[in-house]
Amino acid sequence: NAGVTQTPKFRILKIGQSMTLQCAQDMNHNYMYWYRQDPGMGLKLIYYSVGAGITDKGEVPNGYNVSRSTTEDFPLRLELAAPSQTSVYFCASSSPGLAGSYEQYFGPGTRLTVT
Amino acid sequence: AQSVSQHNHHVILSEAASLELGCNYSYGGTVNLFWYVQYPGQHLQLLLKYFSGDPLVKGIKGFEAEFIKSKFSFNLRKPSVQWSDTAEYFCAVNAIRNNDMRFGAGTRLTVKP
Repeated sequence: NAGVTQTPKFRILKIGQSMTLQCAQDMNHNYMYWYRQDPGMGLKLIYYSVGAGITDKGEVPNGYNVSRSTTEDFPLRLELAAPSQTSVYFCASSSPGLAGSYEQYFGPGTRLTVT
Repeated sequence: AQSVSQHNHHVILSEAASLELGCNYSYGGTVNLFWYVQYPGQHLQLLLKYFSGDPLVKGIKGFEAEFIKSKFSFNLRKPSVQWSDTAEYFCAVNAIRNNDMRFGAGTRLTVKP
């Protein structure tokens, strides 16, 4: 299993540009998540999905959109990039597992810079 | 929603020193608890987890953590750190009722050889 994969690894955007961060998992997990990681701030949840066709906002959804057309894929879209969106983005997936554990598996991250 | 506090932002230790990283959370319901580690330039990896049963859980690489329900704490410990333990450590709390996972701000551990 490849686990959770993310593309691209790095990207530089100009203010106002748009892009899609790709995330895929091959573990048949129902739950998928997008986080951003800023220095000293830990991980903040942007959006999450409990299954294909179902998405919901996390703590910091403004400026982002998601879709979940298949179990495997969970792309994150930035429509009008802003410097405040400079961050490292992590995708994760989970399933209830034993005793409802919901242990999350993380992708390698995408480092995004908006200038 | 629950919140997670990690008391130390940056801890510097010499090799062979003992480690304890604090983690407290605020949530009255049933939780699952996790410690993740992020080595430089890498993604988060699970160190250990608590779901139920023995509140003292053992993870990989000699780490352990103790869940003290009355104190809402889940501190991470290691008796003797190594240079290779240099990393950032994140505590996470999952509220089972709604599968709401929250992470602490992280503690950066630097181990001097």
